[in-house]
Order: sequence, then C-alpha cells, then structure tokens
Amino acid sequence: EAQVTQNPRYLITVTGKKLTVTCSQNMNHEYMSWYRQDPGLGLRQIYYSMNVEVTDKGDVPEGYKVSRKEKRNFPLILESPSPNQTSLYFCASSPDTTGELFFGEGSRLTVL
Amino acid sequence: GQQLNQSPQSMFIQEGEDVSMNCTSSSIFNTWLWYKQEPGEGPVLLIALYKAGELTSNGRLTAQFGITRKDSFLNISASIPSDVGIYFCAGQRYPVGNNRKLIWGLGTSLAVNP
Repeated sequence: EAQVTQNPRYLITVTGKKLTVTCSQNMNHEYMSWYRQDPGLGLRQIYYSMNVEVTDKGDVPEGYKVSRKEKRNFPLILESPSPNQTSLYFCASSPDTTGELFFGEGSRLTVL
Repeated sequence: GQQLNQSPQSMFIQEGEDVSMNCTSSSIFNTWLWYKQEPGEGPVLLIALYKAGELTSNGRLTAQFGITRKDSFLNISASIPSDVGIYFCAGQRYPVGNNRKLIWGLGTSLAVNP
C-alpha cells in the first residue's frame, strides 16, 4: 500500500530534550516536505526537499533541522524543543512539484 | 505568510443537502487544489485544477478553477455523514526556483446531521 509513515504519532517531551520525528514514503517520490498545523494558523511549511541531499527552508524553519540522505526518508529534528513547538506535524511527499501531496497521519508533539 | 481566504469557516448541514465553499485570493494562481482532512488523519487530495475555467468532478464533489485565476469553488452534492471533516483549499504559483510552494486556506469545517 502506498503510504507516508510518521513516527511517533504522539509524543510528550520536555524543553531542551532533542527529538527526531521520522518520515518514510514507499512511493519513490522525489519531493518531500514537513508541515506544522496549528489552530487558526493552518498548515505552514517547515522544510522541503526536492531530492536526496537537497533541502531548503519553508516558511517556519526556526528551531528545526532536516536531512535527506535517502530518497524514502526525511526526518525532522528538533535539537532543543521549546513549548512553542507544540503542534501537529505532517510529513508529505509528491512525485513532482505539482502540489499533489500525499500526507502522513501526523505526529502530535507536546513540549512541556 | 500569505493565506487564502476560505469561506465559510464552518457549516452544519442536514444529510442530503448540497454544500458550497470557496477560496479567494488577491493573487493569481496556476493551480488550485482541494484537500479533505478527517479527525486524526492527514489531508487527502480530492481534486486538482490546472486551467482557468476548468470544472472537475470526483464523485459527488465538483470543483472549479475561477476564470480570473484568483478563486476556486468546491461543491458537494447530496451530503452524507462521511463527508464530515475539514476541507482545505490550496493555491500554487510557478515562481522562478524549485519550491512550487502551496498557499493554504484555513479550512471549512463541515458537520453533517444524519
């Protein structure tokens, strides 16, 4: 089954404790992206990747890092999480850049 | 960042009714897309529109790419309980560069009374 898989789905952590949210897609898509979704603010892009070893900032990259060492994986790294990073995070992929995105099920992160 | 004006913000309707929602912008877009998000899930693409004036259907859903390229509409006919969710519009331009970034609306929350 074609899918985008995120882990963990739910996480409660404390300020400053590094964490990684993994994202993997099995559709051989070149384009991958991370979004955060917050009430009243909608979906905002954090980082995106056009292909392996090619990443760039989205609209809200501060406090986040990403890497794209393999085509299928695009982890989101929070080196020192803060409470304002409490959010619902989505990974998405696309075979191209048409905007037709396949989303993961989301990762709900709470930073205390 | 820029966002699309999506309306209505929420709707509560009776099963069987038709639904209309729209998205507007002050800027021109090359692509309009409509996504649906159900509770606990990620958004799922419903319809993608690539030409001004284009009218595309997906089952009971019909979407149109406005002629001015500044708006799009989504209609749902004969609503059923499983239509419940949040509907998002997204617009895309083709700037110089690689990231054909999507601009998102804030969503229309749809509730259907059986």
